[in-house]
Amino acid sequence: EVQLVESGGGLVQPGGSLRLSCAASGFTFSSYDMHWVRQAPGKGLEYVSAISRDGGSTFYATSVNDRFTVSRDNSKNTLYLQMGSLRTEDMAVYYCARAKQLGLWYFDLWGRGTLVTVSS
Amino acid sequence: EIVLTQSPGTLSLSPGERATLSCRASQSVTNSYLAWYQRKPGQAPRLLIYGASSRATGVPDRFSGSGSGTDFTLTISRLEPEDFAVYYCQDYGSSPYTFGQGTKVEI
Repeated sequence: EVQLVESGGGLVQPGGSLRLSCAASGFTFSSYDMHWVRQAPGKGLEYVSAISRDGGSTFYATSVNDRFTVSRDNSKNTLYLQMGSLRTEDMAVYYCARAKQLGLWYFDLWGRGTLVTVSS
Repeated sequence: EIVLTQSPGTLSLSPGERATLSCRASQSVTNSYLAWYQRKPGQAPRLLIYGASSRATGVPDRFSGSGSGTDFTLTISRLEPEDFAVYYCQDYGSSPYTFGQGTKVEI
């Protein structure tokens, strides 16, 4: 089955760190750019980060730049998001998503998300 | 940064009725790079439309997208019970690839 499954969410204190993972299956993971999108409680979807197929290029939203790091391990079919210096406004459900077409950032496959709670 | 404004916020309709959802951009969307997604509680978001009017694989033909420039529309010709959900538009033509705030289609 073609799917993405996120994990690693949980409760973290402001200023803390957390690493999210996204396990891909059912497709050739290394052939796709991958992305992270989040949704804070009561708010809309917000684009977070991207990584190219080979991991050589990355992109970050201004709101997370210098605090989050995206990476991937194509041998393990897994995408990661290392989050640091977490703020209350980072509290959200984090989704990983697959870009349908190379270079065009719309998403034909999403995971169900993992919840990150930032609170003291 | 392009801001996408979706309207209405909530659409109350019955099965069999037609739903018309609007997505208005603050600036012209490059090459009509506008996508629509459906999200149901506890489920992964689902791509419905890309390129403003192209249906994604497996999407029923009761879903259609139209528009260009700054005004886009998602139409559901006859609502099925499984169509009651939240719908989001996304501009993927320019960074930061913003989403609209969503339209909830409820019974």
